[in-house]
Amino acid sequence: SQQGEEDPQALSIQEGENATMNCSYKTSINNLQWYRQNSGRGLVHLILIRSNEREKHSGRLRVTLDTSKKSSSLLITASRAADTASYFCFPGNQFYFGTGTSLTVIP
Amino acid sequence: DTAVSQTPKYLVTQMGNDKSIKCEQNLGHDTMYWYKQDSKKFLKIMFSYNNKELIINETVPNRFSPKSPDKAHLNLHINSLELGDSAVYFCASSQDTGEQPQHFGDGTRLSIL
Repeated sequence: SQQGEEDPQALSIQEGENATMNCSYKTSINNLQWYRQNSGRGLVHLILIRSNEREKHSGRLRVTLDTSKKSSSLLITASRAADTASYFCFPGNQFYFGTGTSLTVIP
Repeated sequence: DTAVSQTPKYLVTQMGNDKSIKCEQNLGHDTMYWYKQDSKKFLKIMFSYNNKELIINETVPNRFSPKSPDKAHLNLHINSLELGDSAVYFCASSQDTGEQPQHFGDGTRLSIL
């Protein structure tokens, strides 16, 4: 399967710090997407990076993609308490998400 | 306006009952999905419809039957509910199949007593 696997499973940081989470996948992809899930809510699409891109920015988000290593990372800079959520990667056009990285930002 | 809406938000019922969850999207998307999220937050697709045609049908018990009356609606009917069906069920939609970003509803929390 194309299931993305996020690492770490849980991350706790102080407000203002940067948060980095990683994703590994198994087979070739055309793009990789990152989503956020707040407690009790559905997933919200954050950013899409295509297989021919190595890095992409959106506001405080920075995503990298290394297709040779079949991995991606999501960096959230200057974190805020409102960033507390679970983050999922979604590789390619298969429909499997992992269990996500649970991020807690302490005010 | 809510883009993907599902009802009900909570569903508590007895084992053996039959229940339905409704989903509607007002985004004009061609593709809709049903996902199941377990207690460990693992999110797995169950079904996908494109323009009312079933395109993905994962290993799901045949007690689960999706129905798409039109491309804006994808309902999920579950027969003979079992304890293991307790989960959060999410509906989602995307502009087309494959690699388009998906828009999710807020989920239906199903609890089986």
